[in-house]
Amino acid sequence: EAQVTQNPRYLITVTGKKLTVTCSQNMNHEYMSWYRQDPGLGLRQIYYSMNVEVTDKGDVPEGYKVSRKEKRNFPLILESPSPNQTSLYFCASSNIGPVSGVTGELFFGEGSRLTVL
Amino acid sequence: AQKVTQAQTEISVVEKEDVTLDCVYETRDTTYYLFWYKQPPSGELVFLIRRNSFDEQNEISGRYSWNFQKSTSSFNFTITASQVVDSAVYFCALSEGIYTGANSKLTFGKGITLSVRP
Repeated sequence: EAQVTQNPRYLITVTGKKLTVTCSQNMNHEYMSWYRQDPGLGLRQIYYSMNVEVTDKGDVPEGYKVSRKEKRNFPLILESPSPNQTSLYFCASSNIGPVSGVTGELFFGEGSRLTVL
Repeated sequence: AQKVTQAQTEISVVEKEDVTLDCVYETRDTTYYLFWYKQPPSGELVFLIRRNSFDEQNEISGRYSWNFQKSTSSFNFTITASQVVDSAVYFCALSEGIYTGANSKLTFGKGITLSVRP
């Protein structure tokens, strides 16, 4: 079954304690991305990756890191989480167009709800 | 500048009413893709439709229809005879940089919360 898997689904942590949210897809997609969803702000892109070892900042990258060492995995790292990073996080993957850009359906994980105290 | 504008934030209708969700986008690319996603109360994001910039034909899928007009940079979504199960947040999204490689990301609008009352 084609899917994007995120873990953990729910996490409560404290300020400053490093955490990683994992994301894995089984569709051999080149494009992967992280979004955060906050009330009234919709989905905002944190980081995206067009392929292995290629990552780029989205609209709200501050406080986050990513890596793309393998095609299937795209972990989101919060080195020193702060309360303003309390949010619902989505990982997504897709095919890309002839050169770049998302042209296909974006497949989303189920979301990871993070609370930073 | 906001690239995808969903000016309506919340809409409430009574079951069986028709409802249109508006989406206006901004891009300098000639090749781009537009999407609609649904987020029901359970939280997952569900793909509804994809449309490329060269295909202005309207599309109908059951009670759902989409009206793409390049002249007004709009990609509106209409639900006919709404049902309670249509209650969700609906997102419009724009994908650019298909051939240029520049700014190749998917930008979402802020979403429209649709409530369908019995």
